[in-house]
Amino acid sequence: AQSVAQPEDQVNVAEGNPLTVKCTYSVSGNPYLFWYVQYPNRGLQFLLKYITGDNLVKGSYGFEAEFNKSQTSFHLKKPSALVSDSALYFCAVRGPRRGGFKTIFGAGTRLFVKA
Amino acid sequence: KAGVTQTPRYLIKTRGQQVTLSCSPISGHRSVSWYQQTPGQGLQFLFEYFSETQRNKGNFPGRFSGRQFSNSRSEMNVSTLELGDSALYLCASSLGLPQETQYFGPGTRLLVL
Repeated sequence: AQSVAQPEDQVNVAEGNPLTVKCTYSVSGNPYLFWYVQYPNRGLQFLLKYITGDNLVKGSYGFEAEFNKSQTSFHLKKPSALVSDSALYFCAVRGPRRGGFKTIFGAGTRLFVKA
Repeated sequence: KAGVTQTPRYLIKTRGQQVTLSCSPISGHRSVSWYQQTPGQGLQFLFEYFSETQRNKGNFPGRFSGRQFSNSRSEMNVSTLELGDSALYLCASSLGLPQETQYFGPGTRLLVL
């Protein structure tokens, strides 16, 4: 069965420091992996995705993520956090299953960036 | 290009009533998916429509239904509302291939009293 785990409910980081939001997944076959961000009372905004190719994926707002097949992880990173990065972050996996593809979202990680 | 739009944005209903939510996808997108977001359960997949056909379905009771029109606009209906149906309902559209990005609307916040 497909699953996505975001092991941290909350991540706290100081502005200017690097940030990492963790994600691990379980899926049969080759996965498609996504990161989204949600601001209060808003829908989800797409940040980046991994389909194939380079393991390091660069996305919007300076975010990047590294696909690690052996560890089945897709951690989100940013070299220097901004206060405006404070939001709820979701990892999602889309993989083949009987009946077609379905997107499974992690529980979300709340990021707090302190000035 | 206009983004995904959802109407209404806010809705208050009472138990036992029914509700219809609407989603207009990005122009050219043929896939529309619906999700329910609650603090306790997170983001739960409801169903996906592609070219007017339901292509995939989550684990929700039959009270939750949907449809897609020839212009790709989609509606979601919940009958016999329960208090637990209070949630943010999100619609997402994409071109339809598995590797394509889903783009989300702002959501409809439903409160059931």
